[in-house]
Amino acid sequence: KAGVTQTPRYLIKTRGQQVTLSCSPISGHRSVSWYQQTPGQGLQFLFEYFSETQRNKGNFPGRFSGRQFSNSRSEMNVSTLELGDSALYLCASSLEGSAEYGYYEQYFGPGTRLTVT
Amino acid sequence: AQSVSQHNHHVILSEAASLELGCNYSYGGTVNLFWYVQYPGQHLQLLLKYFSGDPLVKGIKGFEAEFIKSKFSFNLRKPSVQWSDTAEYFCAVIRTGGSQGNLIFGKGTKLSVKP
Repeated sequence: KAGVTQTPRYLIKTRGQQVTLSCSPISGHRSVSWYQQTPGQGLQFLFEYFSETQRNKGNFPGRFSGRQFSNSRSEMNVSTLELGDSALYLCASSLEGSAEYGYYEQYFGPGTRLTVT
Repeated sequence: AQSVSQHNHHVILSEAASLELGCNYSYGGTVNLFWYVQYPGQHLQLLLKYFSGDPLVKGIKGFEAEFIKSKFSFNLRKPSVQWSDTAEYFCAVIRTGGSQGNLIFGKGTKLSVKP
């Protein structure tokens, strides 16, 4: 079974631009989550999508948005890029879990390294 | 707000030494617990997980972790480390109450194993 794939792997953008990152989950996984990884803040949750709906959102400004398509593929968009947005953006997919029985583990992609200059 | 604390930022060991990495979380409800590893240049991989049942869980590559509910801890252990264990290790927690939760990660512990 193929793993989580993310494109592109590397991006260089300038301040003020916008960027779209793409994630294809493992086949059969319907939940897709996005995380930002930086040396200073570590791994921080951005948002989670399930069945094309955002179910959960972290503490990031509205410049960060996402969406999920009917085939579970997901994109995240960052508008008006700032230098501080330079990070590794990770996508993770998982099977659907439940509050009662617990959640399945998340499988991570290789990430997209975004550099903002 | 719930948080995850990993006490050691960087651990340096010689091969064959024993390893214990600490992890504490702040949430008082029911949680699922995970340890992930990130080898240099590779993506995050699941080492082991705790959902319920036996609090001592075994993972891949000889790693194990013990969930101690009264201490809100989920420490990672390995009896004898190898040079190939050099990596960054992340503890993560997800709440099981309410709607689908999200993983809360600790800041990570870098492990360097000297050959």
